[in-house]
Amino acid sequence: AQTVTQSQPEMSVQEAETVTLSCTYDTSENNYYLFWYKQPPSRQMILVIRQEAYKQQNATENRFSVNFQKAAKSFSLKISDSQLGDTAMYFCAFMGTNFGNEKLTFGTGTRLTIIP
Amino acid sequence: DAGVTQSPTHLIKTRGQHVTLRCSPISGHKSVSWYQQVLGQGPQFIFQYYEKEERGRGNFPDRFSARQFPNYSSELNVNALLLGDSALYLCASSPGTYYYEQYFGPGTRLTVT
Repeated sequence: AQTVTQSQPEMSVQEAETVTLSCTYDTSENNYYLFWYKQPPSRQMILVIRQEAYKQQNATENRFSVNFQKAAKSFSLKISDSQLGDTAMYFCAFMGTNFGNEKLTFGTGTRLTIIP
Repeated sequence: DAGVTQSPTHLIKTRGQHVTLRCSPISGHKSVSWYQQVLGQGPQFIFQYYEKEERGRGNFPDRFSARQFPNYSSELNVNALLLGDSALYLCASSPGTYYYEQYFGPGTRLTVT
């Protein structure tokens, strides 16, 4: 079974600063997908960024980028030029590619607060 | 295009009762998954359905059941409610089994008293 660990329950940074959220995972699969989801107080789970394990290049989406270290099973999220709207819970998630295992396994989340 | 919709938004039930939660996927999506999110935790996988067939089941008791209809909408049923069933229930849809992006609905907040 896969596990996802987020060791930072809470973080806060000043607006416009850069922040990095940590995530480690454990799996015996070779091909899989990793995700970062954002859940603001409105509760809607929003996909921030996705990384395919077979791709060596780190994914980037505007101010959001990841540092994917497959051997270390590490998948951190960097938010540059942080904005007040980035305040939310952030969840790291894993999805396998084997039949019947296309489900998301989530970490416990990191509560990020952007301070004006 | 409309996103994933869920109903009701909020629900209060008494222990021992039964509840039905509903989900309509994004148009054209054939896969629906259900997750339970207890306050302060990450979502936990309950079920996945694809083309009306159960494709995956999480570690939940038999009190939890689900089904998918020909129009790909889905229902999650929970019998004999317990206080511990109080949670946010999230539905997610995806185009098919080999699409690895799931799109979430706003959730149903269930409170069991």
